[in-house]
Amino acid sequence: SAVISQKPSRDICQRGTSLTIQCQVDSQVTMMFWYRQQPGQSLTLIATANQGSEATYESGFVIDKFPISRPNLTFSTLTVSNMSPEDSSIYLCTVRSQATNTGELFFGEGSRLTVL
Amino acid sequence: AQSVTQLGSHVSVSEGALVLLRCNYSSSVPPYLFWYVQYPNQGLQLLLKYTSAATLVKGINGFEAEFKKSETSFHLTKPSAHMSDAAEYFCAVRNTGGFKTIFGAGTRLFVKA
Repeated sequence: SAVISQKPSRDICQRGTSLTIQCQVDSQVTMMFWYRQQPGQSLTLIATANQGSEATYESGFVIDKFPISRPNLTFSTLTVSNMSPEDSSIYLCTVRSQATNTGELFFGEGSRLTVL
Repeated sequence: AQSVTQLGSHVSVSEGALVLLRCNYSSSVPPYLFWYVQYPNQGLQLLLKYTSAATLVKGINGFEAEFKKSETSFHLTKPSAHMSDAAEYFCAVRNTGGFKTIFGAGTRLFVKA
């Protein structure tokens, strides 16, 4: 298993500002995934972050809005830029199990952002 | 491309009754299938997973799921619901050889006393 820590755990932000979420994993992993869980909805993959390369974004998500850094194998950041109330969500950093072929995901408790 | 459909955004059962949460998937290659549970104000955790080793999979807290290829289904069941089972349940799929996990919309389970 992997233990994932995210900061901040929650924040209230003003419209137009940006916030950076930090994700720390207790073991080295190749891929880290960023998901968004909007209120009452399922998880949507934002991007996949590999160490040493640009993140790969899913349809509907762009680097200018959600820049991602992956400086090493245990750490990543996601920035939510120029926030609007529609960005109010839980943002989740996840990693896949590297001990099994199935690659189930490990989750932290996420970062709950409220944009006013 | 893979996808997951969970039938029923809300399911309500009485304590002691059978729990059945439905999940259908679409995948062009043999999939890995998962059920995750999210208890109130907690992160998601793995409930069980299908790996092709056995079609009937047992998970934590008495839950199990059966993989039916002909029906492209992976429904989650528990013979007797407990109040502590009240949570949001997500079905998810990942293609073998792929790296993205796709989640269903989720089903919120309510358990009545």
